[in-house]
Amino acid sequence: NAGVMQNPRHLVRRRGQEARLRCSPMKGHSHVYWYRQLPEEGLKFMVYLQKENIIDESGMPKERFSAEFPKEGPSILRIQQVVRGDSAAYFCASSPDSSHEQYFGPGTRLTVT
Amino acid sequence: LAKTTQPISMDSYEGQEVNITCSHNNIATNDYITWYQQFPSQGPRFIIQGYKTKVTNEVASLFIPADRKSSTLSLPRVSLSDTAVYYCLVLTEGDYKLSFGAGTTVTVRA
Repeated sequence: NAGVMQNPRHLVRRRGQEARLRCSPMKGHSHVYWYRQLPEEGLKFMVYLQKENIIDESGMPKERFSAEFPKEGPSILRIQQVVRGDSAAYFCASSPDSSHEQYFGPGTRLTVT
Repeated sequence: LAKTTQPISMDSYEGQEVNITCSHNNIATNDYITWYQQFPSQGPRFIIQGYKTKVTNEVASLFIPADRKSSTLSLPRVSLSDTAVYYCLVLTEGDYKLSFGAGTTVTVRA
C-alpha cells in the first residue's frame, strides 16, 4: 500500500509565475489536508478537502492560493503569481475520515527566485 | 487548543534513553496527547498517543501523570537514525487542524 505521494518534490519558480503542487492520498483515503512549513517554523494548517469539496480553508491566504480535490485524480494546491515569501515546504496529508490520524507525504519544496 | 511547551533541542549518544517532556497546563478533559516525529526532508510521522498513565509501542513510551498537565516521551536506546524533530500535540477527538510548533530537535551522536 503506497503512502501519500507528492510531486514534484522540488519546484523552482520565478516571481510572478504559477506553482501547482500535486498530492495523491493513500489508497482508501478520501480526506486530504495541506500544510505549509516556513523555514525554521512548524507546520501550519492551510486547507482540508474531501472529494470535490473544500471543508475548511481557514488557514489559506485569501489571495493567490487555491486548492481542489477532484472526483478523479490528485489534489492540487495552486499558487498564482508567486512571491519570495511563498518559498516553503508544502506537505499533504490524508486520512480515511476526518481525523487527527493523518499520514503525511514527503512534501514539495517550493523555491521562488 | 491547549498550548504546549517543549525544549528546543536535546543531544544524546547512541544507546542512551532520551526523555522529552512537554507541558500542557490547560489540557481539557477530552484532549489526547499525541507525538509526531519528523526526519529531515520528510513529512511528520505519528509515533504515539495517550490519554493517561503509560502507553508503550515498538517505537516509544509515553508517560502521563495523573494531573495530565505534562507528558514525557521516552525513546529507549536511541540510534543515529532517531535524529529528528519531535512534536508534542494536544488534540481532541475529531480535531483535524494539526498545529506543529517548533518541536524538539533531538540529535544523536555516535
